[in-house]
Amino acid sequence: TQLLEQSPQFLSIQEGENLTVYCNSSSVFSSLQWYRQEPGEGPVLLVTVVTGGEVKKLKRLTFQFGDARKDSSLHITAAQPGDTGLYLCAGAPGANNLFFGTGTRLTVIP
Amino acid sequence: GAGVSQSPSNKVTEKGKDVELRCDPISGHTALYWYRQRLGQGLEFLIYFQGNSAPDKSGLPSDRFSAERTGESVSTLTIQRTQQEDSAVYLCASSLTPVRFSYNEQFFGPGTRLTVL
Repeated sequence: TQLLEQSPQFLSIQEGENLTVYCNSSSVFSSLQWYRQEPGEGPVLLVTVVTGGEVKKLKRLTFQFGDARKDSSLHITAAQPGDTGLYLCAGAPGANNLFFGTGTRLTVIP
Repeated sequence: GAGVSQSPSNKVTEKGKDVELRCDPISGHTALYWYRQRLGQGLEFLIYFQGNSAPDKSGLPSDRFSAERTGESVSTLTIQRTQQEDSAVYLCASSLTPVRFSYNEQFFGPGTRLTVL
């Protein structure tokens, strides 16, 4: 079983603060994706990282793939209430599907 | 430019009854996936369809669960003799090509919330 553990499980912060969410596994993944899911909706893709050590930026979000392709992090700068949601990492070990992480539920308080 | 649609959006059923959930993928997407999401948790892979190939059923939790897809169109997920532990949101996703080939984005539907009383 290829588990993706995310931490923290829950995070509540004030608007304007910075935060980092982690996604860790003992398995190597050919690629890793980050999704955000809002209540009553399906997850929406934020980014895909493929190369070990890769860093991608999406406005105030910075994604990093570990050198060994076993872990990833998501850093949000100056969080806003619109960032509230469930953040899911998902790894593709080369099989047909994605293995999803346990999720981090973020609440940004205005 | 419709996205993935699922029906019904909510389904309440009694223990022991059968339910059928429907997914309409994005037109032209060859790959289709079903996932289960229990309250407050991540997504659990159930089954994967790719064109006319045999589906990957490795994630189905029991023989009460089955799914069908005709060609590259609609898919139905059937749960027979539902149990209370089947209560969850069932999500469908489609992608242009399988994830393993080109890291293609999976587009998710809004899900069907199933409640088994």
